Amino acid sequence: GQSLEQPSEVTAVEGAIVQINCTYQTSGFYGLSWYQQHDGGAPTFLSYNGLDGLEETGRFSSFLSRSDSYGYLLLQELQMKDSASYFCAPRDSSYKLIFGSGTRLLVRP
Amino acid sequence: EAGVTQFPSHSVIEKGQTVTLRCDPISGHDNLYWYRRVMGKEIKFLLHFVKESKQDESGMPNNRFLAERTGGTYSTLKVQPAELEDSGVYFCASSPRTGTGELFFGEGSRLTVL
Repeated sequence: GQSLEQPSEVTAVEGAIVQINCTYQTSGFYGLSWYQQHDGGAPTFLSYNGLDGLEETGRFSSFLSRSDSYGYLLLQELQMKDSASYFCAPRDSSYKLIFGSGTRLLVRP
Repeated sequence: EAGVTQFPSHSVIEKGQTVTLRCDPISGHDNLYWYRRVMGKEIKFLLHFVKESKQDESGMPNNRFLAERTGGTYSTLKVQPAELEDSGVYFCASSPRTGTGELFFGEGSRLTVL
């Protein structure tokens, strides 16, 4: 079967660093994407890891360990606008992205 | 460049009625996906088109749902007859390449079945 695990909610203070973990189990695996969704909006692409290691894009970094079926999204210098839901989405053998319920991040002043 | 557009943004219908949702992908994107999110839970895959062909429809919940993509451009998702549990937000996404990790999503169509 296919499964995803992420924390349902995370709260952090403005300016801090937060890490959102993701473990997955899929039928085949071809990479891990991360998406951000603000309430009422469209999910928007943040990053993609096709290989093990760290990918950095500005304040956001994403990490993948294929052997552990594990990845994380690291958000630095948190801003109020980062309050949103974050989804990890592994790509399975039929090329589709599998989304879960996401992690709701609340950034407090 | 226009993004993925979906219509209607919100639809309220009664149980047993029919609703058709439309998605216009980004021009030139051969891959088109439908997802839905029910009750704020997980975003679940429905199906994937490559041009006009259904690449994967394993997520379609039952035969009340019919998706089409005539001519490989826009797509429609028809629910007939609608049931209460069909309520949710239906997202469309497109991508230029099959197997990419980057999908471009629309704002979604919120369906409420009363």
